Amino acid sequence: GAVVSQHPSRVICKSGTSVKIECRSLDFQATTMFWYRQFPKQSLMLMATSNEGSKATYEQGVEKDKFLINHASLTLSTLTVTSAHPEDSSFYICSAREEGLNSPLHFGNGTRLTVT
Amino acid sequence: DQQVKQNSPSLSVQEGRISILNCDYTNSMFDYFLWYKKYPAEGPTFLISISSIKDKNEDGRFTVFLNKSAKHLSLHIVPSQPGDSAVYFCAASHPIGTDKLIFGTGTRLQVFP
Repeated sequence: GAVVSQHPSRVICKSGTSVKIECRSLDFQATTMFWYRQFPKQSLMLMATSNEGSKATYEQGVEKDKFLINHASLTLSTLTVTSAHPEDSSFYICSAREEGLNSPLHFGNGTRLTVT
Repeated sequence: DQQVKQNSPSLSVQEGRISILNCDYTNSMFDYFLWYKKYPAEGPTFLISISSIKDKNEDGRFTVFLNKSAKHLSLHIVPSQPGDSAVYFCAASHPIGTDKLIFGTGTRLQVFP
């Protein structure tokens, strides 16, 4: 079945640095991907919708200049956390669906970001 | 403002018994609901979904019930197995017809022998 691959699975960075997270759809093309964030013991919150070849759509309260999204191809979306701060430490998850089929959304395995 | 709520943070069930996970929502415009299972440090895995035109959907050991008037849905797992131990999230598709999901806060299910 369709698989969404996310990399890295875990990253630790220092405050002020930037971190890039990749989300790839394996064996299928996705013009749209979604980025979620999950804080401990909380639900997954949608951050933005990544659109291939165009600008991402951000949810209310999400800073687009801080969370840069690039969807340069039909199989890859990247989320860059710029000038990371400890409060950005979270679990980031992407999702995508194989288009044209009645298939459910598939999620990547997530990226645990820790900012020190 | 939590539009999708799972009021039970945890549930413990004996193997072989039925597990019932509950979910409430506030927006009567929601018309498509999903249940996901999540293990630690992994992304959610889709389990089962239901459209608002139905009140029940069944897939093997998993059945989802929808009560639109009460804005309530539940996931029944029977018989429960130790491998079902995970966090279960319900979600609503919103805006309608999109792949954008609003998740509940999750219920941790533990199935013991």
